[in-house]
Amino acid sequence: EADIYQTPRYLVIGTGKKITLECSQTMGHDKMYWYQQDPGMELHLIHYSYGVNSTEKGDLSSESTVSRIRTEHFPLTLESARPSHTSQYLCASRNTGTNYGYTFGSGTRLTVV
Amino acid sequence: DQQVKQNSPSLSVQEGRISILNCDYTNSMFDYFLWYKKYPAEGPTFLISISSIKDKNEDGRFTVFLNKSAKHLSLHIVPSQPGDSAVYFCAASAIGAQKLVFGQGTRLTINP
Repeated sequence: EADIYQTPRYLVIGTGKKITLECSQTMGHDKMYWYQQDPGMELHLIHYSYGVNSTEKGDLSSESTVSRIRTEHFPLTLESARPSHTSQYLCASRNTGTNYGYTFGSGTRLTVV
Repeated sequence: DQQVKQNSPSLSVQEGRISILNCDYTNSMFDYFLWYKKYPAEGPTFLISISSIKDKNEDGRFTVFLNKSAKHLSLHIVPSQPGDSAVYFCAASAIGAQKLVFGQGTRLTINP
């Protein structure tokens, strides 16, 4: 049973629209992450947070933004979606002191047409 | 610069035989390695991990081997079962980095 939830699971949206991908976890984890993955490719870290009001950009440049106002919630926003944003977006969390084992959500598959 | 590489995009194995998935890394600062399993339309799930102070870790049918001198690790699954068919990602973390770096994944297919 997943303790980290992502919505929506699938999203098809037109170019120029603003979208927010939701990620919530019920485990009280302080660290949360957003990864982007294209088919057959590695997962690329695009954003991470070490706690409330803490956000950092990841290794892969992304036009998206994130916020961390509550421990359990880490939404990702695209102000103006483009076809190049088409990808799978995976949210993960872990607690400090654990053995780096992340818990992942089911992902959001985004298609921008 | 890809720090974690899985050079085999796919692997096909007969049910009951051994599956061996390989992973190479370039960053000598990596001190912790993990394997994740991913089914289509789902997020990756943690499978097994190994610290750089060990060269082997076993959990049921899954064993991970680490060769630090060769910067190579492998995941052995024996015996392979149809439910093992999935994409397997190798991941690594450097000391103090608190971030995982993933390989491209290997799609494992177990044939009946």
